[in-house]
Amino acid sequence: GAVVSQHPSWVICKSGTSVKIECRSLDFQATTMFWYRQFPKQSLMLMATSNEGSKATYEQGVEKDKFLINHASLTLSTLTVTSAHPEDSSFYICSASGTGGYSNQPQHFGDGTRLSIL
Amino acid sequence: AQKITQTQPGMFVQEKEAVTLDCTYDTSDPSYGLFWYKQPSSGEMIFLIYQGSYDQQNATEGRYSLNFQKARKSANLVISASQLGDSAMYFCAMREGYSSASKIIFGSGTRLSIRP
Repeated sequence: GAVVSQHPSWVICKSGTSVKIECRSLDFQATTMFWYRQFPKQSLMLMATSNEGSKATYEQGVEKDKFLINHASLTLSTLTVTSAHPEDSSFYICSASGTGGYSNQPQHFGDGTRLSIL
Repeated sequence: AQKITQTQPGMFVQEKEAVTLDCTYDTSDPSYGLFWYKQPSSGEMIFLIYQGSYDQQNATEGRYSLNFQKARKSANLVISASQLGDSAMYFCAMREGYSSASKIIFGSGTRLSIRP
């Protein structure tokens, strides 16, 4: 089946550091990828929709300059948390669907990245 | 705007019993899809089952079935013969429109615990 790879799985870094998370579709092309954030014991909150070759669409309340998204190819999207602070600590997870699909296609998720800012 | 509601924060069920996880939704789009995902403690999201708004029959996938009541806007997940490995968070989700490129919105989730 479709596989989405997310890297790294864990990140621990100092406050003020910028952190890049990669999301790759391994066996299909993904025009659109999605980035979610999940706090402990809470649901997945959609942060932004990543569109190949164009600007990402951010959900209301998500800082564009804080969470930079780049979707340079049909198989790779990156999320960069700039100047991370402890409140940015969370579980970040990406998902993707194949191109030209219909609504019955499920989103395929990466395994997520646990980000801890000290 | 689309909305998904799961009213059961947690449930405990005896092993081998059936369990129903509730989900209601709200949308003004006549075309939509409903999904259920399982999230174990390790964090990965596992797709379980899908129901389309125009599907005439309830979806089934092995031990999972979806009780789709369109007029009530509910899409409850039924797990038959529960197993210890079913203990996890379960999320109901919805996508509006026809395209797989449309965003999926998740409910707040239900934590299911199976007792041996």
